[in-house]
Amino acid sequence: DTAVSQTPKYLVTQMGNDKSIKCEQNLGHDTMYWYKQDSKKFLKIMFSYNNKELIINETVPNRFSPKSPDKAHLNLHINSLELGDSAVYFCASSTRTSGGYEQYFGPGTRLTVT
Amino acid sequence: AQKITQTQPGMFVQEKEAVTLDCTYDTSDQSYGLFWYKQPSSGEMIFLIYQGSYDEQNATEGRYSLNFQKARKSANLVISASQLGDSAMYFCAMREGWAAGNKLTFGGGTRVLVKP
Repeated sequence: DTAVSQTPKYLVTQMGNDKSIKCEQNLGHDTMYWYKQDSKKFLKIMFSYNNKELIINETVPNRFSPKSPDKAHLNLHINSLELGDSAVYFCASSTRTSGGYEQYFGPGTRLTVT
Repeated sequence: AQKITQTQPGMFVQEKEAVTLDCTYDTSDQSYGLFWYKQPSSGEMIFLIYQGSYDEQNATEGRYSLNFQKARKSANLVISASQLGDSAMYFCAMREGWAAGNKLTFGGGTRVLVKP
């Protein structure tokens, strides 16, 4: 059983398009995250939701809009895609009931903007 | 300023030998957590090990151990008896207090290649 899943795994699209990435976790966690990994492998937090409430919103262009319909889902919608948005996007989840609050990651979505 | 520094961009290790991956961090929080993740060429991020700032003993998980030196602000990962499957990128990460939203701040990673 997949713990944190993301769809799609690959996404190729043209500049200016709007796209969404979906994330679901079946771990019963209460906090979910979006991270971006750039071409140099650097990972950076974008957003975090705790019990459907936005708690972290890093300096991300407002073309990126997360939505959490329930605790198990966190989707990422991106408007007016730009070349610089090409990256791997990871969803992750954690729970405060786990001592270390370790985060478990989805498989990633490789977004390529042409 | 970098909060997490991994000074080794890449390293080779002979199969069955031990390897130490360096990680230093910077925080003014008293309560924080340190993590290591493995990213194989397939791309997924795999949680390996966790050390809490108040934990007095170094964390161990199978062949992984975390050498935590609080005064030096270092959290090195030791992989014992390296296997070919250990070839991957390894990331050190830090979680600061809940007020920071429990986010992880990552280092730049170290690429490890295990030679047969």
